[in-house]
Amino acid sequence: DAGITQSPRHKVTETGTPVTLRCHQTENHRYMYWYRQDPGHGLRLIHYSYGVKDTDKGEVSDGYSVSRSKTEDFLLTLESATSSQTSVYFCAISEWGQGNQPQHFGDGTRLSIL
Amino acid sequence: GQQVMQIPQYQHVQEGEDFTTYCNSSTTLSNIQWYKQRPGGHPVFLIQLVKSGEVKKQKRLTFQFGEAKKNSSLHITATQTTDVGTYFCAGRPTGNQFYFGTGTSLTVIP
Repeated sequence: DAGITQSPRHKVTETGTPVTLRCHQTENHRYMYWYRQDPGHGLRLIHYSYGVKDTDKGEVSDGYSVSRSKTEDFLLTLESATSSQTSVYFCAISEWGQGNQPQHFGDGTRLSIL
Repeated sequence: GQQVMQIPQYQHVQEGEDFTTYCNSSTTLSNIQWYKQRPGGHPVFLIQLVKSGEVKKQKRLTFQFGEAKKNSSLHITATQTTDVGTYFCAGRPTGNQFYFGTGTSLTVIP
């Protein structure tokens, strides 16, 4: 498996609190992605990064922000968590652009917002 | 909205039976990828299809990309208990974003 570490693996928090999820890779891949997975929706792209400090929005970006200050780290922040953001969050990486490269996924973070 | 639809949502088969999942898009796709996710696990890349009408095989798995590049299928011959999991297609209309299907959850009954 690709060297991808997500932290924390599980988190329970309350509505209105800020939450930051971390994705760390050891593959030196250029592209990194954040997805959320919900029953009946498959995987939906939140944000992605194509280099240090270069990010773009995905399909469901409202309520989320991201930062990438180093090649190996991609952070996902929920500024004020809501119950609708309860989900499993996956980080993924690909060597080049998303268009024709396989994506390798981390083990996921299970986030519950009460 | 959901750009890639996948059916069926669930499929239960007896071990040894065949299984097929279908992926459909309202728009032409540049390429399509297939992933497998075991229960409690993360998606794992299986294959990518790029050409119109393309067929690829991996042992008991056969992947097809439609002539119009709007649909795709994954067929498993003689299922085994190790095939259990959810199979996702991911289609790319244009640009850099893939749209994942809702997945088909496969249960194999021994």
